[in-house]
Amino acid sequence: DGGITQSPKYLFRKEGQNVTLSCEQNLNHDAMYWYRQDPGQGLRLIYYSQIVNDFQKGDIAEGYSVSREKKESFPLTVTSAQKNPTAFYLCASTRSGVGFYQPQHFGDGTRLSIL
Amino acid sequence: SQQGEEDPQALSIQEGENATMNCSYKTSINNLQWYRQNSGRGLVHLILIRSNEREKHSGRLRVTLDTSKKSSSLLITASRAADTASYFCATDDTGGFKTIFGAGTRLFVKA
Repeated sequence: DGGITQSPKYLFRKEGQNVTLSCEQNLNHDAMYWYRQDPGQGLRLIYYSQIVNDFQKGDIAEGYSVSREKKESFPLTVTSAQKNPTAFYLCASTRSGVGFYQPQHFGDGTRLSIL
Repeated sequence: SQQGEEDPQALSIQEGENATMNCSYKTSINNLQWYRQNSGRGLVHLILIRSNEREKHSGRLRVTLDTSKKSSSLLITASRAADTASYFCATDDTGGFKTIFGAGTRLFVKA
């Protein structure tokens, strides 16, 4: 079955440490997204990529970095500069790089906590 | 910036009852979507309604859109315990590329 796989499901970060969250899709989708979800809140866009080797900052990109070297993969690094990283991180994709009229397909998330 | 805001924040009903959730937004849209999220899982797309549509059905779901009031509602008929989840509306950022999600309505259906 096609879908989006996020790993790990749970991740713990020590002070000063960078951690990388994995997102892989086999839907042959061009566009991929990273969102952050805090308790009781909606999703906030961190980064998005419309095509391989290209990505743009979303609303809360500070303290995060991404790469898009392959169509299937869009890893997110939470750097030590992100002072409040505890949250639920969701990866999503859409068929093409144009956002209108397109449902987003989501992975099952990674929950990141501070040790 | 938050575009869609759901109301109520939380809703508790008995199995078999209907559940209605509302979404209001601030600026003009091209489309509005509803998503469902089970606890600890990703979002699942339920239905998309375009700005020139007024009502759309999918199984036990009925979505309405009133662009003059900048609001939408999601009705789940004959609810089941398995409908327990959070429901989010999402609108497009006109002139841009982003989809903007509201904070969601938490629905609890008691068996």
